[in-house]
Amino acid sequence: GESVGLHLPTLSVQEGDNSIINCAYSNSASDYFIWYKQESGKGPQFIIDIRSNMDKRQGQRVTVLLNKTVKHLSLQIAATQPGDSAVYFCAENRLDDKIIFGKGTRLHILP
Amino acid sequence: NAGVTQTPKFQVLKTGQSMTLQCAQDMNHEYMSWYRQDPGMGLRLIHYSVGAGITDQGEVPNGYNVSRSTTEDFPLRLLSAAPSQTSVYFCASSYRDGSYEQYFGPGTRLTVT
Repeated sequence: GESVGLHLPTLSVQEGDNSIINCAYSNSASDYFIWYKQESGKGPQFIIDIRSNMDKRQGQRVTVLLNKTVKHLSLQIAATQPGDSAVYFCAENRLDDKIIFGKGTRLHILP
Repeated sequence: NAGVTQTPKFQVLKTGQSMTLQCAQDMNHEYMSWYRQDPGMGLRLIHYSVGAGITDQGEVPNGYNVSRSTTEDFPLRLLSAAPSQTSVYFCASSYRDGSYEQYFGPGTRLTVT
């Protein structure tokens, strides 16, 4: 069936380096793609979104890239900090009001 | 402004028991949803609602009922609990615009024995 998924379950990054978290999707009809951050024991928290007619969107220290040709989404975090340690989920907002999440990538920050 | 609140925080049920997980939001959001998260997994959509009086099924609706009689409240009912429903349940709400930037509650950790 159609789903949103991730390439890597765990990503270890040196503090201060840039992090890149990837996501593959299969539903071409989704209108928005969204990144959420989930810290241990908490609910997910919205980071940034991108509409399907855009290629790139920047926020504070984060950039989301969308490649519709290969159905690929990425989240780039600049100058990774210890507070960035969390699980990151991509999600898609389908045209039927369903917001479907992928499995998540755990970002581990090395000192 | 409390955001999204969920009660209870923890619950243990025996197989076959029923219960209702409560969810409330005070942001006047049209859209509300319920997800379950199993250990080491992503969130799976159970049910969602685009407004008072309207509900629809998500990815994994079997064994759960919802209702939306007011904008603020979106309770999730487990009809006859099964061990497979052991999970963390998250409620979320948002406006129905753009990507539907959802605000999540703190979750309810449910164990079914």
